[in-house]
Amino acid sequence: KQEVTQIPAALSVPEGENLVLNCSFTDSAIYNLQWFRQDPGKGLTSLLLIQSSQREQTSGRLNASLDKSSGRSTLYIAASQPGDSATYLCGAAGNKLTFGGGTRVLVKP
Amino acid sequence: SAVISQKPSRDICQRGTSLTIQCQVDSQVTMMFWYRQQPGQSLTLIATANQGSEATYESGFVIDKFPISRPNLTFSTLTVSNMSPEDSSIYLCSVFEGDGYTFGSGTRLTVV
Repeated sequence: KQEVTQIPAALSVPEGENLVLNCSFTDSAIYNLQWFRQDPGKGLTSLLLIQSSQREQTSGRLNASLDKSSGRSTLYIAASQPGDSATYLCGAAGNKLTFGGGTRVLVKP
Repeated sequence: SAVISQKPSRDICQRGTSLTIQCQVDSQVTMMFWYRQQPGQSLTLIATANQGSEATYESGFVIDKFPISRPNLTFSTLTVSNMSPEDSSIYLCSVFEGDGYTFGSGTRLTVV
């Protein structure tokens, strides 16, 4: 059974600082790993998808890496802004999509 | 990516009643997924809905409580039956395509 863990559970940083969010998973037999953003009371917005054959993906200020052998993915957000405040979820996709508990991010102006 | 319209966006319901949540996708998809997110928690998969067959439920979820319909390749409903305050959650539908999973905007359910 896949288990996904996200550390830290919460993170508070001043505006402009880089963010590093960690995700680990127990079963390396995944098709892909996907990072999402969730604003309070809302649905999920997909940020980045990393296929199992890829090592990283980039979109603007976001960069996500994937190391299947060690069961880890990291999401980097450069030069954080108050608008980046949200909960970030990683999902490991095997036979189904299994989520971590999320990292709640607060970027202070 | 697919675009999913989910409704209602929120509702407040009396205990013992039922609520049906609808998801409409702008393209044909083989599988649709229903998730529950309890307050302060992450998402948990309720069931996978395939067109033309019974939904497949995850451990801890049963058809009598969460009946699902999938009449065609673009539409699905989830009913939360005989509700209690413990059913207060956000319910989300999702589809998978080549570029990953896409989620509806969610239904915020409060049971009083």
